[in-house]
Amino acid sequence: DAGVIQSPRHEVTEMGQEVTLRCKPISGHDYLFWYRQTMMRGLELLIYFNNNVPIDDSGMPEDRFSAKMPNASFSTLKIQPSEPRDSAVYFCASSLEAGRPSNQPQHFGDGTRLSIL
Amino acid sequence: KNQVEQSPQSLIILEGKNCTLQCNYTVSPFSNLRWYKQDTGRGPVSLTIMTFSENTKSNGRYTATLDADTKQSSLHITASQLSDSASYICVVGSKRGNNRKLIWGLGTSLAVNP
Repeated sequence: DAGVIQSPRHEVTEMGQEVTLRCKPISGHDYLFWYRQTMMRGLELLIYFNNNVPIDDSGMPEDRFSAKMPNASFSTLKIQPSEPRDSAVYFCASSLEAGRPSNQPQHFGDGTRLSIL
Repeated sequence: KNQVEQSPQSLIILEGKNCTLQCNYTVSPFSNLRWYKQDTGRGPVSLTIMTFSENTKSNGRYTATLDADTKQSSLHITASQLSDSASYICVVGSKRGNNRKLIWGLGTSLAVNP
């Protein structure tokens, strides 16, 4: 089975440019999560969706960050304008929880390594 | 403040040896505790998930324990292999109403040498 697919794997861009990260969750999963990972802060949850609806975006650092999930098989995380401090690895994860016992595992993609110069 | 602290920060062991990684947490209300393995350049992979009523769970050579009274967990790796070299992350889940959060530790970096 295909896992969570993220693109691009690497992105290098200049400060001020718009960055769009893409995620395809595992088919049939009803939750989708966006994380950011840095050495200093570890993994931080940015936002998560349930059935394509944003549930908690309290982790989104500021208005420059936005996320959408137009359908069950696709989500984007956009940064506009980008800044050097946004450099990190961004992960997307999905899980299936409807009709199952609580505490299901999250399945992660391999991330997008973002560098803002 | 909800926190998850892991120790040691890094660890080097020889192939075939056992090791134990520690996790202390101050998370309330507690829902579950998870251990993830993250290989370099890859996303985390779930190893175990334990709820309040479980005090041990195994996944092959990995055994996690949970003491909800002292708010401590450990991950024991038996007969280590080179492929065990990775970061191991402790994650504590909290649920309040319909909102749930996962509080992630910074991980223990394990190197298994031949």
